[in-house]
Amino acid sequence: EAQVTQNPRYLITVTGKKLTVTCSQNMNHEYMSWYRQDPGLGLRQIYYSMNVEVTDKGDVPEGYKVSRKEKRNFPLILESPSPNQTSLYFCASNPGRSYNSPLHFGNGTRLTVT
Amino acid sequence: AQSVTQLDSHVSVSEGTPVLLRCNYSSSYSPSLFWYVQHPNKGLQLLLKYTSAATLVKGINGFEAEFKKSETSFHLTKPSAHMSDAAEYFCVVRAQEGGSQGNLIFGKGTKLSVKP
Repeated sequence: EAQVTQNPRYLITVTGKKLTVTCSQNMNHEYMSWYRQDPGLGLRQIYYSMNVEVTDKGDVPEGYKVSRKEKRNFPLILESPSPNQTSLYFCASNPGRSYNSPLHFGNGTRLTVT
Repeated sequence: AQSVTQLDSHVSVSEGTPVLLRCNYSSSYSPSLFWYVQHPNKGLQLLLKYTSAATLVKGINGFEAEFKKSETSFHLTKPSAHMSDAAEYFCVVRAQEGGSQGNLIFGKGTKLSVKP
């Protein structure tokens, strides 16, 4: 089944403890992206990647890192999480060849930083 | 600059009555427009998209949207609401900048409630 898989689904951590949220897609998509969703703010893009070893900042990149060493994986890294990073995070992908291609989303990771 | 405004943060309808979720956009280019739906504890799923072909776009689950350039609108409609339509809906605009992915701009979302 074609899908975007995020892990974990739920994560509670403490301020300053490094964490990684994994994202994997099995559709051979070139484009991958991370969003955070906060009440009343919709989805805001954190980072995106047009292809392997190519990453760019989105609208809210501060406090996050990403890497794209392989086509299928696009992990989101929080080196020193803070409470304002408590949010619902989504990974998404699309083929990348056409800017009209819709995004395929993972089921989300709900992160709480205390 | 591109932007998208969803005019209602919450819409409540009775089962069997029409649904109207409003979206206005602003774009310097000829835009691509999308509607996504998010059910509780799920990721977003594409409902429909407009990409400069027919102005009336039909999507899944009986939804449709009409692109009106003169009004810069892309409202989502459904003739008869079903309980399973209760979800959050996002209007999304992508500017068509030649050859590149472009950025997606998400609206803040409209939560649809459906009463029995």
